[in-house]
Amino acid sequence: EIVLTQSPGTLSLSPGERATLSCWASQSVSYSYLAWYQQKPGQAPRLLIYGASSRATGIPDRFSGSGSGTDFTLTISRLEPEDFAVYYCQQYGSSTITFGQGTRLEIK
Amino acid sequence: QVQLLESGGGVVQPGGSLRLSCSASGFTFSSFGMHWVRQAPGKGLEWVAFISYDGSNKNHADSVKGRFTISRDNSKNTLDLQMNSLRPEDTAVYYCAKNRGYNYGYDAFDYWGQGTLVTVSS
Repeated sequence: EIVLTQSPGTLSLSPGERATLSCWASQSVSYSYLAWYQQKPGQAPRLLIYGASSRATGIPDRFSGSGSGTDFTLTISRLEPEDFAVYYCQQYGSSTITFGQGTRLEIK
Repeated sequence: QVQLLESGGGVVQPGGSLRLSCSASGFTFSSFGMHWVRQAPGKGLEWVAFISYDGSNKNHADSVKGRFTISRDNSKNTLDLQMNSLRPEDTAVYYCAKNRGYNYGYDAFDYWGQGTLVTVSS
């Protein structure tokens, strides 16, 4: 199965700053079938990005995804207070779907 | 609006069985693949199982293969997960989730239920 490794484990930033979250895959992700999710405490995950770079319905344009092959990035251009949460990457291009371990984005 | 509502969670002893259900509304259930995903307390997300829109294609994670079975009833708009031979490491919140697109196979998960807690303990 494809192992996804997210970096950093925790990211401490202030509102208004730019956040860059990374996701590395142990093998190439087919068709760039890579998604990003946001999860807040006590809530279900929310889809942000699919196909590596397409924003899901209703997601603000401060969220953007990029990458291909084994290296992917989620960028939040200017952090809003509601963006502080845990972020997961997910690949759905192989027979076993896998998630990264998550990056916690916390207020500095 | 799309709604997914899980039920059936609870406390069960090791070796026991439990059946989870997910009731779907607000979309054409029979047109979309569906998934179960779980999250152990304080841990990350783990994909559990997938079923295609028509039920003809199923896949289960290795960690549950042979013990869990995903199924669906398109006439009732429900998704089920039969869980047998439960182990303490199966303790988690179980979410049902919807495929984003009209793919026969996998897609990103665009809607999730709020989850149901399964606790395996003696």
